[in-house]
Amino acid sequence: GAGVSQSPSNKVTEKGKDVELRCDPISGHTALYWYRQSLGQGLEFLIYFQGNSAPDKSGLPSDRFSAERTGGSVSTLTIQRTQQEDSAVYLCASSPVGGSNQPQHFGDGTRLSIL
Amino acid sequence: AQSVAQPEDQVNVAEGNPLTVKCTYSVSENPYLFWYVQYPNRGLQFLLKYITGDNLVKGSYGFEAEFNKSQTSFHLKKPSALVSDSALYFCAVRPRGSQGNLIFGKGTKLSVKP
Repeated sequence: GAGVSQSPSNKVTEKGKDVELRCDPISGHTALYWYRQSLGQGLEFLIYFQGNSAPDKSGLPSDRFSAERTGGSVSTLTIQRTQQEDSAVYLCASSPVGGSNQPQHFGDGTRLSIL
Repeated sequence: AQSVAQPEDQVNVAEGNPLTVKCTYSVSENPYLFWYVQYPNRGLQFLLKYITGDNLVKGSYGFEAEFNKSQTSFHLKKPSALVSDSALYFCAVRPRGSQGNLIFGKGTKLSVKP
């Protein structure tokens, strides 16, 4: 079956530009997560959506970062006025139910490079 | 603060030898424990998890992990390594009382040489 799909796979942009990253979770998965993976670092949690509940935004590093999830499915992570330190791989994951023992299923990520 | 430690940045093993990738954790509640593997330019793939019960958990591709509550460890093991096991391995935890995200270690690069 289809897994988690992320687009674009690679994005190169100039400092100061806005970028949008897209995530299509596995059909029927109610929980959706965004993580950031920087070189030599582990995965840094950004934001978590569960069904129609208010998202957990506690991991967003600054107010330049925002995310939305439309219709309980597709999610978009937006970074405004990008900085060089935003360069990283952005990973999206989904799972059938949040806050449980279910593993998360990851997409292949978007590799973001800020020039 | 809740955290996961993978003390080795890299583990080198000869093909056919046993391998161990170490993980220790510090969380406030008895956690759920997970191991993931990441191949180059790919997302993370789930290997195995510990929920409750037997301390030895078996997972995909012949991997297993041993939960040790007193040492707060969850080391990943495989009796006989393959060159194709070479990848980046992540340990992750989620406190049982929490909702949402996993807490990840920084990852361990496993290199298996023929």
